[in-house]
Amino acid sequence: AQTVTQSQPEMSVQEAETVTLSCTYDTSESDYYLFWYKQPPSRQMILVIRQEAYKQQNATENRFSVNFQKAAKSFSLKISDSQLGDAAMYFCAYRSADNQFYFGTGTSLTVIP
Amino acid sequence: NAGVTQTPKFQVLKTGQSMTLQCAQDMNHEYMSWYRQDPGMGLRLIHYSVGAGITDQGEVPNGYNVSRSTTEDFPLRLLSAAPSQTSVYFCASSFLGLAGDSTDTQYFGPGTRLTVL
Repeated sequence: AQTVTQSQPEMSVQEAETVTLSCTYDTSESDYYLFWYKQPPSRQMILVIRQEAYKQQNATENRFSVNFQKAAKSFSLKISDSQLGDAAMYFCAYRSADNQFYFGTGTSLTVIP
Repeated sequence: NAGVTQTPKFQVLKTGQSMTLQCAQDMNHEYMSWYRQDPGMGLRLIHYSVGAGITDQGEVPNGYNVSRSTTEDFPLRLLSAAPSQTSVYFCASSFLGLAGDSTDTQYFGPGTRLTVL
């Protein structure tokens, strides 16, 4: 089974600053997808960004971007110009070839006004 | 368009009782899945389905049954509830790609908080 590791249980960032959340994974597959999900206090899971492993270009979605290092099996999320609404739990997730999803344990992000 | 709906929102059971958590989606998604979320452990996949009549086990399937008789519905059954099944349960759905993969955006339901005494 694949494993996804988020080594930062909690992070904080000043409003308007940039923060990077770390994620590493372990797999023997060559083709897979990676995701970052946001879970605010409402408990709703919201897709932030996704990355195809076969694409070398890092995915971006407005203020959110990833640093995908396939050889290092690293998939970090960078949030630029942090806003109060970014405060949430962030989960890194891996989709395997047989359609199973594996989630990390999450990073709780606090945005300081 | 209601998206993914789950009922009930909260449930308290006694050890040994059985119940069914309901999940429905109105987006014609082929892929549906159930997760449990426990503190400090993220989400773990219980069961999933790639279409009506097709189900498969995820990471933590023991103690749970599923069936998929229609595209819209994917109920999760607890056969004999145990305190270890106290958790928040999420249902999710997505389209399948041409290659049969579920790389499209997963839409999550609001969750069911289950307590087993």
